[in-house]
Amino acid sequence: NAGVTQTPKFRVLKTGQSMTLLCAQDMNHEYMYWYRQDPGMGLRLIHYSVGEGTTAKGEVPDGYNVSRLKKQNFLLGLESAAPSQTSVYFCASTLDSLNTEAFFGQGTRLTVV
Amino acid sequence: AQTVTQSQPEMSVQEAETVTLSCTYDTSENNYYLFWYKQPPSRQMILVIRQEAYKQQNATENRFSVNFQKAAKSFSLKISDSQLGDTAMYFCAFMSSQGAQKLVFGQGTRLTINP
Repeated sequence: NAGVTQTPKFRVLKTGQSMTLLCAQDMNHEYMYWYRQDPGMGLRLIHYSVGEGTTAKGEVPDGYNVSRLKKQNFLLGLESAAPSQTSVYFCASTLDSLNTEAFFGQGTRLTVV
Repeated sequence: AQTVTQSQPEMSVQEAETVTLSCTYDTSENNYYLFWYKQPPSRQMILVIRQEAYKQQNATENRFSVNFQKAAKSFSLKISDSQLGDTAMYFCAFMSSQGAQKLVFGQGTRLTINP
């Protein structure tokens, strides 16, 4: 039981490049989330999903897209990376609307140069 | 929209001392959940303690306890007998009881325990 796994753990991109961050959970959780962590700002919600095939915008969605084609996976895409997207990205999941414990991945440190 | 504020960017105490981290929040809801998360240098997010707003009793987990003041919208974390392993970033977080279990985080407090 691996919990929540993020791939990759580190990445350096050039401005304008694209990439996809993968989040996988093996706990059969319904809800999944992508947060970004910046110094002095805590974690902010980018996008989230309440079930397979559904996604919704969070607090800071601009410049990102997501997909949840399979229940266990939640992908975060950057189509044209910008230096402002340099951050640490966390994926999280919760079981359902009756459970409040969020399980977090180990984070992905992304640098855009 | 809900907001969470942690007004102490950094704190430092000696090992075995007691330390209190502050958190205030803003919401118009009556039922919600509050959390404290610990983030050590490994970057892993670790749940420390959870409080349900409809419960008047303050939550405790071993050396960790909270002072939940609903009317004042205040949610502080007290760490007793602090240990070197408590050194970490601490985040206060809010979760609405309505919809999607999304977390709203404060800015974080960097806590250092000195030997």
